[in-house]
Amino acid sequence: GQNIDQPTEMTATEGAIVQINCTYQTSGFNGLFWYQQHAGEAPTFLSYNVLDGLEEKGRFSSFLSRSKGYSYLLLKELQMKDSASYLCAVRDENYQLIWGAGTKLIIKP
Amino acid sequence: GAVVSQHPSWVICKSGTSVKIECRSLDFQATTMFWYRQFPKQSLMLMATSNEGSKATYEQGVEKDKFLINHASLTLSTLTVTSAHPEDSSFYICSARGDREVEQYFGPGTRLTVT
Repeated sequence: GQNIDQPTEMTATEGAIVQINCTYQTSGFNGLFWYQQHAGEAPTFLSYNVLDGLEEKGRFSSFLSRSKGYSYLLLKELQMKDSASYLCAVRDENYQLIWGAGTKLIIKP
Repeated sequence: GAVVSQHPSWVICKSGTSVKIECRSLDFQATTMFWYRQFPKQSLMLMATSNEGSKATYEQGVEKDKFLINHASLTLSTLTVTSAHPEDSSFYICSARGDREVEQYFGPGTRLTVT
């Protein structure tokens, strides 16, 4: 079956750095997405990786290793507004998005 | 970026009635639209995928006669929850993707409460 694993919850301190990991087992691979979702709101796109390596976008970076079925989202200089759920999703061989359950990130002052 | 709207943003209805939710792509043509449902503290669950002009493809376990999806144009898809029951109360989110696009753009969601 298809499976996306990410931690359920993480806590970090304002101003610090946090890494949210995602491992996947899917039938085929056509890219990995990270989305941010605040409570009661729809997800918003953060990043897309299809090749191995690091993609940097401001305070957020995303890394992919296809051979290991692994990705992480790195958030730097954490701000209180970064408190949200972070969803990892993989597009499979049929171009369907397979979603992880999300990681709830709690930022403490 | 591309904008997707949903209407209504929230709705309360009585058990047994039907509710229609609209999803519109405002500044691009959405060849594919997706409907998701999300229960509190759970991840997104894909309900169905629709391509403009053709019948929607429903995920396993989703009743197509209960959740009617129409994707009549490149900018509009509708989800009708027929004979709604309290267990249908959820956050319904649509997303849209243009032709040859990588990213799905999400609407703001519709919170449905069935009393």
